[in-house]
Amino acid sequence: AQSVAQPEDQVNVAEGNPLTVKCTYSVSGNPYLFWYVQYPNRGLQFLLKYITGDNLVKGSYGFEAEFNKSQTSFHLKKPSALVSDSALYFCAVRPTSNTGNQFYFGTGTSLTVIP
Amino acid sequence: DTAVSQTPKYLVTQMGNDKSIKCEQNLGHDTMYWYKQDSKKFLKIMFSYNNKELIINETVPNRFSPKSPDKAHLNLHINSLELGDSAVYFCASSQFLADLKETQYFGPGTRLLVL
Repeated sequence: AQSVAQPEDQVNVAEGNPLTVKCTYSVSGNPYLFWYVQYPNRGLQFLLKYITGDNLVKGSYGFEAEFNKSQTSFHLKKPSALVSDSALYFCAVRPTSNTGNQFYFGTGTSLTVIP
Repeated sequence: DTAVSQTPKYLVTQMGNDKSIKCEQNLGHDTMYWYKQDSKKFLKIMFSYNNKELIINETVPNRFSPKSPDKAHLNLHINSLELGDSAVYFCASSQFLADLKETQYFGPGTRLLVL
């Protein structure tokens, strides 16, 4: 079965420190990987995606994510956290063997950046 | 202009009622989705339409009926509402690509509370 895991429900980090939000997946083939952010009472916003090529992907708002095929992980990172980064972060996976437009989302990680 | 819009933003109703949620996208996309986000923030796909054709229909009670009058609209009608239907419902859209690299764009959500 296809699945996406975000092992941490909550991540707290001090402002200015680096942050990491973890994501691992169990999907057949070589999937495409996405990160979305959800601010309170808002819809999900696209941050970045990995399709192919360089394992380090850069996205919006200074975020980047590192694809690790051997560990089937796609962790989200930012070198210096801002208070405004506090939000809910979702990892999503799109199996390339799937032709039914199916995206699988993780359960979300709530990031709190402490001033 | 909002890319993906949903109406209403909030919906409070009694058990047993029938209600509809509307979604419109002005991105020119050909694929639209409905997701349900429960109280634990878990996001699950319900339906997906491509060019007005249903292509994903997850295990959802048949009280839920999507309707796509055209490519830019995907409405969700819910009959005989139950307490467990209380959730945030997100509409999303994407432009289908044969290589599956498309990104989904989400609406702001409709917060449904069934009393």
